[in-house]
Amino acid sequence: DAGVIQSTRHEVTEMGQEVTLRCKPISGHDYLFWYRQTMMRGLELLIYFNNNVPIDDSGMPEDRFSAKMPNASFSTLKIQPSEPRDSAVYFCASSSAGGAGYTFGSGTRLTVV
Amino acid sequence: DAKTTQPPSMDCAEGRAANLPCNHSTISGNEYVYWYRQIHSQGPQYIIHGLKNNETNEMASLIITEDRKSSTLILPHATLRDTAVYYCIVRGYGGSQGNLIFGKGTKLSVKP
Repeated sequence: DAGVIQSTRHEVTEMGQEVTLRCKPISGHDYLFWYRQTMMRGLELLIYFNNNVPIDDSGMPEDRFSAKMPNASFSTLKIQPSEPRDSAVYFCASSSAGGAGYTFGSGTRLTVV
Repeated sequence: DAKTTQPPSMDCAEGRAANLPCNHSTISGNEYVYWYRQIHSQGPQYIIHGLKNNETNEMASLIITEDRKSSTLILPHATLRDTAVYYCIVRGYGGSQGNLIFGKGTKLSVKP
């Protein structure tokens, strides 16, 4: 198994631009999570999906953030427009309902200049 | 807010056992104790979990006190590659039983 795939390790964008982060969960996992990590705030849960349906998006910081899961093998996190304070490492994770642990991707480091 | 309390940092000599404590005095009956670690620049990695019995796997051992208000993660023979931030988390079991809420964790430094 290739694990959770976040194919972009580093993303640099200019303030005001739209940025889309991508994630491929482990096949067969029915939960998908998006986390953000900064030095100041640590690891924060942004949103999670169950069977492609968003269940809890209370961690999404603002309306500028949106996430979708069009099918079981793909999810996106979009920021529009991006701001410098959005600079962080964004992690995607997946798990199964009966599973013990989450499997995290390697993360995408977003820098907004 | 995280339901656990961990020391911010610990040191351990290479080859020795690393014992990482965690207090979770408000844990409820159906909540498990989970441990994850995050090596620099990587995503968090699941280590082990337990309800009330002690658990062991290829990575570590988990000792939970009888009253379940605290636990200890044991890395029996720490190596330099075990240098990481270790997170203790309490939550229900499985993907539908709440989410992983990470606290600040314990930064473990394994020294030669």
